[in-house]
Amino acid sequence: SQTIHQWPATLVQPVGSPLSLECTVEGTSNPNLYWYRQAAGRGLQLLFYSIGIDQISSEVPQNLSASRPQDRQFILSSKKLLLSDSGFYLCAWSTGADQPQHFGDGTRLSIL
Amino acid sequence: AQSVTQLDSQVPVFEEAPVELRCNYSSSVSVYLFWYVQYPNQGLQLLLKYLSGSTLVKGINGFEAEFNKSQTSFHLRKPSVHISDTAEYFCAVFPRGYNFNKFYFGSGTKLNVKP
Repeated sequence: SQTIHQWPATLVQPVGSPLSLECTVEGTSNPNLYWYRQAAGRGLQLLFYSIGIDQISSEVPQNLSASRPQDRQFILSSKKLLLSDSGFYLCAWSTGADQPQHFGDGTRLSIL
Repeated sequence: AQSVTQLDSQVPVFEEAPVELRCNYSSSVSVYLFWYVQYPNQGLQLLLKYLSGSTLVKGINGFEAEFNKSQTSFHLRKPSVHISDTAEYFCAVFPRGYNFNKFYFGSGTKLNVKP
């Protein structure tokens, strides 16, 4: 069966520090991959999506970036975190147009 | 362009009472429709989906939803809620005909079940 792993579960970082969040999927090949952010009291904001290795599309311009160095690995990064980067980050995968997205357990990021 | 509206940001309800969470969407093409549930500090779990066929869709945990094309709605219902149903619920649409699986999510409805 397919599984998705996201880590770390929680992270506290100072303003201006770098960030790296990792997401891996097991049990499927060539998935579509997604990074979402969920700010307190708000819905899901799609940040990045990827349809293949090194194929990344950005939905919202900001100081975050994403990379997909391997088929089932998706990384969210930042060189310098801002206070506004705080939130709950979710990774998700899907296999096709009419298939639901499957979500990881999320990373709670707090910026101090 | 696509958009999803969940008019109710919070819905309080007593245990064993029925509940309806509303979802309306706007799309220039036909869509697939989904409901997800999110428990505190967790990811989203799929409750149910509508792809085609019967407009009444049954999902997990006793939830069901009805697709109404003329009203562009996909409301979620449960005849009798439990304390454990307390969570946030998200409606999502996927526009058909796209070659990429990009979902549009509503802003969520927090269901608070009281004893």
